[in-house]
Amino acid sequence: DAGITQSPRHKVTETGTPVTLRCHQTENHRYMYWYRQDPGHGLRLIHYSYGVKDTDKGEVSDGYSVSRSKTEDFLLTLESATSSQTSVYFCAIRGLFYEQYFGPGTRLTVT
Amino acid sequence: SQQGEEDPQALSIQEGENATMNCSYKTSINNLQWYRQNSGRGLVHLILIRSNEREKHSGRLRVTLDTSKKSSSLLITASRAADTASYFCATDALNNNDMRFGAGTRLTVKP
Repeated sequence: DAGITQSPRHKVTETGTPVTLRCHQTENHRYMYWYRQDPGHGLRLIHYSYGVKDTDKGEVSDGYSVSRSKTEDFLLTLESATSSQTSVYFCAIRGLFYEQYFGPGTRLTVT
Repeated sequence: SQQGEEDPQALSIQEGENATMNCSYKTSINNLQWYRQNSGRGLVHLILIRSNEREKHSGRLRVTLDTSKKSSSLLITASRAADTASYFCATDALNNNDMRFGAGTRLTVKP
């Protein structure tokens, strides 16, 4: 897993509550990504970061925000969770040759 | 929107047979990558092929790229039951920051 951890691994939350997912890397990579994976859609990019405090939106960023105050941590926040945000969330880092290494995923259920 | 589209969506073969999966994409790319995902796990990078390359090998994997047709294929030779997984192609935007994944091909290799 290239030194990438995600927490929590599983979470059940209620509609309207805020949720923060954490991605931690130990290898000092500059680029970090957050994806969601849903049946029939493959992986879709939510946000990515290209350095501390440098982030940009991906394909499906509405309803999500991110922060990166340290190289090793990339946080994904759902300000007010909705049922449509029930998904599996993957964090990834980019290697030297543009390949990506993924974390184990977080399964989020919004009830 | 998805950039890569895999075909077929599902493939079932016997151990020892070859498996071929195809990927089509829409816009110009710098490179195309193939990933594997075992059930409940994160994606694992398999191979990257650059836009100026036509074929690449890695062990039992062979990837081809036809930029004129905007398509790629992944061939797994002498398949094993352990190759059972979902396989995804991913393409980058020309800025290399934004990767787009297809919905994947589900490969089942029967022992």
